[in-house]
Amino acid sequence: AIQLTQSPPSLSASVGDRVTITCRASQGVSSGLAWYQQKPGKTPNLLISDASRLESGVPSRFSGSGSGTDFTLTISSLQPEDFSTYYCQQFNDYPLTFGGGTKVEIK
Amino acid sequence: QVQLVESGGGVVQPERSLRLSCAASGFTFSTSTIHWVRQAPGKGLEWVAVVSTDGKTTYYADSVKGRFSISRDNSRNTVSLQMNSLRPEDTAVYFCAKARGGDCSSVSCYRVLDYWGQGTLVTVSA
Repeated sequence: AIQLTQSPPSLSASVGDRVTITCRASQGVSSGLAWYQQKPGKTPNLLISDASRLESGVPSRFSGSGSGTDFTLTISSLQPEDFSTYYCQQFNDYPLTFGGGTKVEIK
Repeated sequence: QVQLVESGGGVVQPERSLRLSCAASGFTFSTSTIHWVRQAPGKGLEWVAVVSTDGKTTYYADSVKGRFSISRDNSRNTVSLQMNSLRPEDTAVYFCAKARGGDCSSVSCYRVLDYWGQGTLVTVSA
C-alpha cells in the first residue's frame, strides 16, 4: 500500500498567517491526491481533489499543488474557522490511504 | 439534500461479528460508488472498503481483508459492512461516504469522497 507522510503533525499559527502543509507519498501517485479538513466532532470536508482542483464552495485562500510524490496544501491567510486537522488522501490506486493528519492550532 | 446514515455499531467481544448499515438518500444512489472509512478514538482516518455501483467490484484495506465484506442493495439504497473476527484494533467510528461522481474521465469520480455520514461507533472489548 502507498504510504502518505504529512508534515508537520501539528503547527501553531496566528490569524492572517500563511500556512503550508506537505504530504509525501511512498511512490508516485500522479495527481491522484485530495485534501480534507476535519473539525473536532465533525466529518471530513473535501477541500481539494486532483492535487490542485478546488472544490465548489471552498474559499480561494486554500490551494493545492504538486504531483508524483510531493504535494502541498497552502492556506494563504489563516482564518479563525480554519483551525482544524487536515488530511491528504491518495486515490491513484487501491487500497486508498490517508496521511496521518496535520493539526492546525491557534498560536 | 444528501444524507448518509450509519447504524449497527455497538460494543462487541473480540472474535465476534457485527454488521453495519448505511442508508442513503438525496442523490442517485445506484450510480454512486460508496466507501467505508474508520477513525479510531483520537486518531486519523483509515480507509476500509469500497463497493462499485453494481456491487460487483469491491476492494479492502489490508487490515480488514478476509474479515470484512462490503455489499449494497440498490433497491433499498443501502450499503452494508459485515465485520467478522473483530479485534480490539477495529475499535473506531465507522463512516460511510459517497464518491464525488461527476466527470468520470478521472478516477477521482470513484475515489474522492464528497459526502460523509455522521458515523457509528464500534467498540471491540472483552
